[in-house]
Amino acid sequence: GENVEQHPSTLSVQEGDSAVIKCTYSDSASNYFPWYKQELGKGPQLIIDIRSNVGEKKDQRIAVTLNKTAKHFSLHITETQPEDSAVYFCAASYPFGNEKLTFGTGTRLTIIP
Amino acid sequence: DAGVIQSPRHEVTEMGQEVTLRCKPISGHNSLFWYRQTMMRGLELLIYFNNNVPIDDSGMPEDRFSAKMPNASFSTLKIQPSEPRDSAVYFCASTDRAGETQYFGPGTRLLVL
Repeated sequence: GENVEQHPSTLSVQEGDSAVIKCTYSDSASNYFPWYKQELGKGPQLIIDIRSNVGEKKDQRIAVTLNKTAKHFSLHITETQPEDSAVYFCAASYPFGNEKLTFGTGTRLTIIP
Repeated sequence: DAGVIQSPRHEVTEMGQEVTLRCKPISGHNSLFWYRQTMMRGLELLIYFNNNVPIDDSGMPEDRFSAKMPNASFSTLKIQPSEPRDSAVYFCASTDRAGETQYFGPGTRLLVL
């Protein structure tokens, strides 16, 4: 089955700086890669996703890049703000017809004011 | 839309007791997922349903766990008998027909004493 590794497990950055979280996956058939943000006491919420026919996607301060050859994808947050502090999870899933997501182990991001 | 609804939000019970967790998916979503989250094991998929039919229950820990989805708007996860190691946050998520985006509920925090 699919295996997703995520690094780093914790990350602290100064407010206004950029944060980068990286994930690798094992199954080359995976073609959907979402990122979730989980705030304390809440369920994970989708913040951005990318499909394997796209190399990069941006949404305001958040961007995701995908390298299919190397089987890794990354989350980039620019101009970080205190409200970006949370746990971030990457995930990967198989093509249409199998809706299971395999999650990474999470990154606890702390923004230092 | 109200989003995925879970109840109860918190449950404290004694070892050996039966626990029932409830989930109402987003209206119109045809897939439902049950996850367990712990510090040690992260987010684990327990079981998922498609059109009310269990598709993959390979993540269910053991026979003490069972899940049902009697109709498109309701699902239960039951633990009988409960054990202290079942203490975790249990999430329910649902997906729409268009793709793989999963929407998570707020979770049920279970403590088994």
